[in-house]
This record gives sequence, structure tokens and C-alpha cells, in this order.
Amino acid sequence: GENVEQHPSTLSVQEGDSAVIKCTYSDSASNYFPWYKQELGKRPQLIIDIRSNVGEKKDQRIAVTLNKTAKHFSLHITETQPEDSAVYFCAARNFGNEKLTFGTGTRLTIIP
Amino acid sequence: DTEVTQTPKHLVMGMTNKKSLKCEQHMGHRAMYWYKQKAKKPPELMFVYSYEKLSINESVPSRFSPECPNSSLLNLHLHALQPEDSALYLCASSQVPGTDTQYFGPGTRLTVL
Repeated sequence: GENVEQHPSTLSVQEGDSAVIKCTYSDSASNYFPWYKQELGKRPQLIIDIRSNVGEKKDQRIAVTLNKTAKHFSLHITETQPEDSAVYFCAARNFGNEKLTFGTGTRLTIIP
Repeated sequence: DTEVTQTPKHLVMGMTNKKSLKCEQHMGHRAMYWYKQKAKKPPELMFVYSYEKLSINESVPSRFSPECPNSSLLNLHLHALQPEDSALYLCASSQVPGTDTQYFGPGTRLTVL
């Protein structure tokens, strides 16, 4: 089955700086890669996703890049703000497979 | 309505109790999911219903019993739980099974005494 590794497990960044979280996946057939943000006591919320037919996707301060050859994808947050503090989970899935495989999570702390 | 809702928000139960968790969505999604999430861990898939039929059971103990009465509603029946079953139980839904984004409900915080 799919295995997703996520690094780092914790990340502290000065407000205004950029943050990068990286994930690698094992199944070359995986073709959908969402990122979820989970604030303390709240639900996981989708912040951005990418499919394997594109290499990069951007939404304001958030971007995701995908390298299919190396089987890794990354979340980039620019101009970080205190409200970006949360746990971020990456995930991977094959087309037609109902199961999302999650990474272990990254606790991001923005230092004011 | 663009949300997945869950009730109750919190539940405390004894090991001999029977209780149920409820999940509802009115987005016309045809796949619904139950996840269990322990502190500082990712969500862990328990069950998937596709078009109201159970399609995935991730070897979950029989003290957890899912039910999908219709395309908008998903229940999780709990019986004879153990303290280690205490966790956040999340429901999610997606428009088409296996192809679309999963949207999560707010979860039920379950404590088993």
C-alpha cells in the first residue's frame, strides 16, 4: 500500500518569512495530493491540492509543487502570519482508490 | 449547505454503554467516511461508504458498527468500547468516490471511562 513520509515534524518560522513542508510517497500510481490544515480542536481543512498532470499550483500565499519522478511534493507558505500556526498534513491517493494516505503531520509555529 | 455536520460535539460514555455518532451532509456527495484521530496523529481511516454501500472496512473491531441509512446520513454505533477508543471521530464526504476532495466534519470528541 501507499506510504507517505512528511518532514519536518515541527517547524518554527519568524512572521513574514516562508515555510516549506515536504512529503514523499511510495506508490508511483498515486495521482492526487491534498494538503490539510488543522488548528487545535478543529477539523482538518483542505488548503490546496494538486493532481499529477501539473507540476505546481498556487493560491495567494500558498503553493504546492510536485515532482513525479522523485515522488515528492511540497507545501510552500510565503509571508507567514500568526494565523498560519497549525498542524499541516499532506496526503496521497490513487485515482479510483477511496483511501487517502496521510503523512504524519507538521506542527508549524509562526513567531511574531 | 456546503458543510459536513456531526453530532454530538462531545460524548462521554462508560465501557458498557451503547451510543451513536451522527454525520450529515447535504452536498449530494456519494462517498462518506469515518476516521479516528488520536492526539498529535493524522486521521486514521475506519470505514468508507460508496453510494450507500460499505466499500472499505479497515479491520475495525466489531464494537464499532457503521450504518448509512441514506445518501446524506452516516452513523457510527458504539458498544462496549475501551478507554483506548477515546479519540476525535471525524466524518468526511466526497462528491464521487475515489476521485474527489474529501471534506471533513468538525468531529465528535469521545471519552470512554
